[in-house]
Amino acid sequence: EADIYQTPRYLVIGTGKKITLECSQTMGHDKMYWYQQDPGMELHLIHYSYGVNSTEKGDLSSESTVSRIRTEHFPLTLESARPSHTSQYLCASSEAGTGELFFGEGSRLTVL
Amino acid sequence: KNQVEQSPQSLIILEGKNCTLQCNYTVSPFSNLRWYKQDTGRGPVSLTIMTFSENTKSNGRYTATLDADTKQSSLHITASQLSDSASYICVVSDRGSTLGRLYFGRGTQLTVWP
Repeated sequence: EADIYQTPRYLVIGTGKKITLECSQTMGHDKMYWYQQDPGMELHLIHYSYGVNSTEKGDLSSESTVSRIRTEHFPLTLESARPSHTSQYLCASSEAGTGELFFGEGSRLTVL
Repeated sequence: KNQVEQSPQSLIILEGKNCTLQCNYTVSPFSNLRWYKQDTGRGPVSLTIMTFSENTKSNGRYTATLDADTKQSSLHITASQLSDSASYICVVSDRGSTLGRLYFGRGTQLTVWP
């Protein structure tokens, strides 16, 4: 079992609300990632971090923001949610040597 | 264009039967290829990771093969179980950056019936 945790697992909110998806890992990994996944589609990288105070945007344009103040914590924030943000958000971290990815259980967001 | 294509898109088999899932890629340069299993509503879990020099790797009833010349990989599942019902995702990593960019396939949705 990977030691990476996401909360909440499910969230239903109204348009315009601010939300933060939490992600924490206890493996001491420097690299962390946020992916967006829609049904039947491939994962798309939206944010990544090499370490504390390092954040970069991924391939898929996203209106979300991330922060990396502590190694173990990589939260994702949407300032004003819209129905187009409805999706599954997966957090991951990777080992330095093998590069193997460990995923959290995901946060399924529904914006009404 | 770097791409990862998986086939079939979906597959239904009976419990106890074997099956093979395919992954073709055009990613270059190539670093490694991974297979993940993703249960419905859960995050993907790693099954195997293979580098250029490896052409077969097993993990229990799962056996992955890699032909780097033809840029093809397969995942063979032996004696399928109901718990094998999941999406199987092929992921290819390049060497184009320190991050080792990952290219994801859309997955093959496997359903095992009793």
